Amino acid sequence: KAGVTQTPRYLIKTRGQQVTLSCSPISGHRSVSWYQQTPGQGLQFLFEYFSETQRNKGNFPGRFSGRQFSNSRSEMNVSTLELGDSALYLCASSLTGSGSPLHFGNGTRLTVT
Amino acid sequence: GIQVEQSPPDLILQEGANSTLRCNFSDSVNNLQWFHQNPWGQLINLFYIPSGTKQNGRLSATTVATERYSLLYISSSQTTDSGVYFCAVNYGGSQGNLIFGKGTKLSVKP
Repeated sequence: KAGVTQTPRYLIKTRGQQVTLSCSPISGHRSVSWYQQTPGQGLQFLFEYFSETQRNKGNFPGRFSGRQFSNSRSEMNVSTLELGDSALYLCASSLTGSGSPLHFGNGTRLTVT
Repeated sequence: GIQVEQSPPDLILQEGANSTLRCNFSDSVNNLQWFHQNPWGQLINLFYIPSGTKQNGRLSATTVATERYSLLYISSSQTTDSGVYFCAVNYGGSQGNLIFGKGTKLSVKP
């Protein structure tokens, strides 16, 4: 069974631009969540989607948004990029969410210049 | 909110040595998971262990939920075990929201 796939692996953007990251979960997994990892803040929860509905949201500004499609694939968007948005963005999928193991993709490393 | 503390923050081992990593949490949790992040950034789920003991090869984990801690044991360490080990917990009604500790950075020397 294929794992969680994230594209692209690397991105370089300029401050003020917007970016869209993509995530394909493990087949059969309906929960997709997103995390941001930085050296200073560690791993922080962004949001979780289940059956196309945002079920939970972390403490990030409204510039961070996401969505989930009917095939469970998910995208996250960051608008008006800031230097501090440079991070590794990790997508994870699970069968049901909190009651099942989380499996992460390889991540997208975003650099904002 | 809940606090998740991991110790030690850094650990250097010779290949073949055993080690114990600890995760303490400040409140009752629904579940606990251990992850290994390799030097390339990939996070691998090692254990989903809300309570009890599980073993997978040279790795085993024990969670004592009533005392709010979990232990990850690595036996006969190998250089490929190097990386950062994270403990993460889910609590309350927060679906899909894992709270991560800061991790233990393990370096295994040949």
